[in-house]
Amino acid sequence: GAVVSQHPSWVICKSGTSVKIECRSLDFQATTMFWYRQFPKQSLMLMATSNEGSKATYEQGVEKDKFLINHASLTLSTLTVTSAHPEDSSFYICSAIAGEGSGTDTQYFGPGTRLTVL
Amino acid sequence: QKEVEQDPGPLSVPEGAIVSLNCTYSNSAFQYFMWYRQYSRKGPELLMYTYSSGNKEDGRFTAQVDKSSKYISLFIRDSQPSDSATYLCATPAGGFKTIFGAGTRLFVKA
Repeated sequence: GAVVSQHPSWVICKSGTSVKIECRSLDFQATTMFWYRQFPKQSLMLMATSNEGSKATYEQGVEKDKFLINHASLTLSTLTVTSAHPEDSSFYICSAIAGEGSGTDTQYFGPGTRLTVL
Repeated sequence: QKEVEQDPGPLSVPEGAIVSLNCTYSNSAFQYFMWYRQYSRKGPELLMYTYSSGNKEDGRFTAQVDKSSKYISLFIRDSQPSDSATYLCATPAGGFKTIFGAGTRLFVKA
């Protein structure tokens, strides 16, 4: 099956610093990647959708200058949390699809990255 | 009203029990439904999907859709401790977006 990896799996950083999270599709080319945020005992909240070579589309209420997304290739997307603050502490999960973009394309999720901002 | 509602639980059952996990949805235009399983501190994995009313079976898992009542269910037979996880229902919402339920936390006790 399709595999999506994330790195790092967990990170602790000081308030005010920036953190970069990588999402890679290991055995397929991802036309579209998604970034989600998940708080404890809550469901997934879509942050943004990114397509290779174009600007990400952010969901309402998500600060694009704070959460920088770069989809540099068909196998790599990065999320950079800039000037992180404790309220940014969360579980960040990426997913990827390989299809043409119909609503029924299967999303393959990464294992998630737990960010703790001190 | 949320477009997909799911009781977050937790739901605790003894090993071997039949588990019923449920979601309701509000938009009758939704046609396609998925169930994801998420273990603690891991990303979700797709368990099953259905595209019509009725049942779809895969091993110990059965997905059921009742479009007349806008109700979707996932049944787990002979539940095992390894089934302990959060189960999320989901449906495509147009374009690339997917709407997820809140997830139901399931604990299967040995």
